[in-house]
Amino acid sequence: DAMVIQNPRYQVTQFGKPVTLSCSQTLNHNVMYWYQQKSSQAPKLLFHYYDKDFNNEADTPDNFQSRRPNTSFCFLDIRSPGLGDAAMYLCATSRDGDSAGNEQFFGPGTRLTVL
Amino acid sequence: AQKVTQAQTEISVVEKEDVTLDCVYETRDTTYYLFWYKQPPSGELVFLIRRNSFDEQNEISGRYSWNFQKSTSSFNFTITASQVVDSAVYFCALSEAAGYSTLTFGKGTMLLVSP
Repeated sequence: DAMVIQNPRYQVTQFGKPVTLSCSQTLNHNVMYWYQQKSSQAPKLLFHYYDKDFNNEADTPDNFQSRRPNTSFCFLDIRSPGLGDAAMYLCATSRDGDSAGNEQFFGPGTRLTVL
Repeated sequence: AQKVTQAQTEISVVEKEDVTLDCVYETRDTTYYLFWYKQPPSGELVFLIRRNSFDEQNEISGRYSWNFQKSTSSFNFTITASQVVDSAVYFCALSEAAGYSTLTFGKGTMLLVSP
C-alpha cells in the first residue's frame, strides 16, 4: 500500500546532541511537510518542500533544518535539541494540482525525547 | 488570516451516546477546503473528510455525519452511537483551494468514550 513512513517511531537524544528524523513516501507526492506537535496541542507546521523548493515558516527556529534529496525522502535535522524540542514530529505529503483539494497524508510520527 | 476554533477541549460520553464536535472557521477566501482528522493514541493523523466551500450538502458515512453551514462558518462533526474506539483527538482544519496550500488546524477536541 502507498504510504508515508517515518523512522524511527521513538527517538531519544541528549540535550545538545544533533538528531535526524526521516520520512519516506511511496505516494509520489510533490509536497512534503514537517509538523511539530507538543502534548495537547495542534500540529504546528515547521516547513515544507514543494518539489525541491524549501518553504520555511517564519517562526521556525534556526535549530530546525530540513533536507529533501529526492521525491521520496525528507529529513528533519535538529542541530542542538533543547528540552523544549521534545515533541511528536509528523511528516505529511500532498499532491499539488490534486483537484480534491490538498488532502495531506500523514505518517505515524516520531516521538522525540530529549534528556 | 485563516483561523479555526474548536471550543470544546474535551468531551466525555458513555458508549452509544451521540456526540457533536464543533468547528468554527474564519477566512477571507471565497474558495476553501475544510477537513476533519482523527488522531488516536497511536499518534497518526487519520483523514476523515474533506469538504469544499461550494458544497454545503451534509454528508453521512456510517456513524459519522458532517454539517457544513457557510452562514455560520461552521463545520460540525457528529458521531452517532459512539464506541470506545472513537476515543481520540479530533482536529478540524482549513486550507485555501487555489493550487496547494498549508493547513490551518484547530486546537483539537479530545473525545473520551467510556464503556
